[in-house]
Amino acid sequence: AQSVTQPDIHITVSEGASLELRCNYSYGATPYLFWYVQSPGQGLQLLLKYFSGDTLVQGIKGFEAEFKRSQSSFNLRKPSVHWSDAAEYFCAVGARAAGNKLTFGGGTRVLVKP
Amino acid sequence: NAGVTQTPKFQVLKTGQSMTLQCAQDMNHEYMSWYRQDPGMGLRLIHYSVGAGITDQGEVPNGYNVSRSTTEDFPLRLLSAAPSQTSVYFCASRGDRGHLTGELFFGEGSRLTVL
Repeated sequence: AQSVTQPDIHITVSEGASLELRCNYSYGATPYLFWYVQSPGQGLQLLLKYFSGDTLVQGIKGFEAEFKRSQSSFNLRKPSVHWSDAAEYFCAVGARAAGNKLTFGGGTRVLVKP
Repeated sequence: NAGVTQTPKFQVLKTGQSMTLQCAQDMNHEYMSWYRQDPGMGLRLIHYSVGAGITDQGEVPNGYNVSRSTTEDFPLRLLSAAPSQTSVYFCASRGDRGHLTGELFFGEGSRLTVL
C-alpha cells in the first residue's frame, strides 16, 4: 500500500527566508506525486505535480519540488517566503495500480514571521 | 466559476442523528470523492465515484453511504452520527476521466460536530 510521511508538523520561517518542506513516500513503482496548499478555512489547491520526466518541477506561487527516487522523497521548496505563504501544505501520492486514489500526508503547517 | 460546491458549511448533530452533506460540481467531471480531514492525519478517502451509478469505498468508509445518480452530484450520508465522525469533510472532483493526470478540485469543506 502507498503511504506518505511529512516529518515536520510545524515550521516557522521569517519572511524573505527560504523554505523547504519534506515529504517521503512509500510505493514500489513510480508514483504520481503532488503538493497541495490549504489556506485557513479553505479547500486544497494544487501547487505542483510530478508524473515523469524532469525531476525538478515548477509550480504556482514560486514553488518547486524535486523528485529523488533513491531517497523516496519529493521535497517542496521556495527561495523567498511571503507572508501570504502561511498555510498548511500537504504532500500526496497516487498510483494507477491503486485505482487512481490519492493518499495524503499529515500536513505541515507553515507560520511566517514578519 | 462555481467549481465544487459543498453544503452546509457547518453542522452540529446529536449522536444517532442522520444527515446528508451535499456536493455538486459544474465541470462535468466523471470522478468525485469525499475526504475527511482530522488534525495530524491529513485527508483520508471515504468514498469515491468514477461516474454516474458507480461508487466504491475508500480508506475509511464505515458509517458513511454515498450514491451517484447524476454526473454533477455526489451526496455523503451519515445514517447514525457518532462523535468519532466529528471532522471537516471535503468533496473533490477530477477531470481527465478520473486519471491522476487530472487536477483534483476541492470544495471549501463542511465542518461537522457530533455531540
